[in-house]
Amino acid sequence: NAGVTQTPKFQVLKTGQSMTLQCAQDMNHNSMYWYRQDPGMGLRLIYYSASEGTTDKGEVPNGYNVSRLNKREFSLRLESAAPSQTSVYFCASSERDMGAANEKLFFGSGTQLSVL
Amino acid sequence: ILNVEQSPQSLHVQEGDSTNFTCSFPSSNFYALHWYRWETAKSPEALFVMTLNGDEKKKGRISATLNTKEGYSYLYIKGSQPEDSATYLCAFGNYGQNFVFGPGTRLSVLP
Repeated sequence: NAGVTQTPKFQVLKTGQSMTLQCAQDMNHNSMYWYRQDPGMGLRLIYYSASEGTTDKGEVPNGYNVSRLNKREFSLRLESAAPSQTSVYFCASSERDMGAANEKLFFGSGTQLSVL
Repeated sequence: ILNVEQSPQSLHVQEGDSTNFTCSFPSSNFYALHWYRWETAKSPEALFVMTLNGDEKKKGRISATLNTKEGYSYLYIKGSQPEDSATYLCAFGNYGQNFVFGPGTRLSVLP
């Protein structure tokens, strides 16, 4: 039972470097999400994909891009990393379209990203 | 952006104590409320999905209630154990919008 697999677990970048966070789920979920977690704040939605082939901005999309490669995979890219993007990133997936009453999120193990 | 609040921000209890904390959310256009448990170095995991006013859910020593008219949910832990130490997150779902997470309540249970 892999669930949601997210890589890497840790990453240190210099300002201006780029990187891609990978996420894959094996639960045949339609919807996938990228969140960031900062101290004292709730999980904030960066981007989501309600179904294969669609992506939409969440609450804090600036500085990020995403790709829904297929139903299983949803990647998050930082084109030019900034110190403000230092955070813990979580990928998640859910069984139904976003907003369904019985939806619950399944999370990956998180990526601790530091931008110097 | 919807405002979801949780209180207290953190608390410490002794093993065996019972405790509770609160999630507050907008009372209009309610769709669903989730509770998640997030242990250090692990992923958040869903505890409860609540959809109806007056819902009560229970899993072992943990239970939750929901009041959608006044916009709050309580999470109760009876007879806290050290393994209950975690951050408890609530997430509010509104019609047509993404789930919005509260900042969490960090619980430490001291042996």
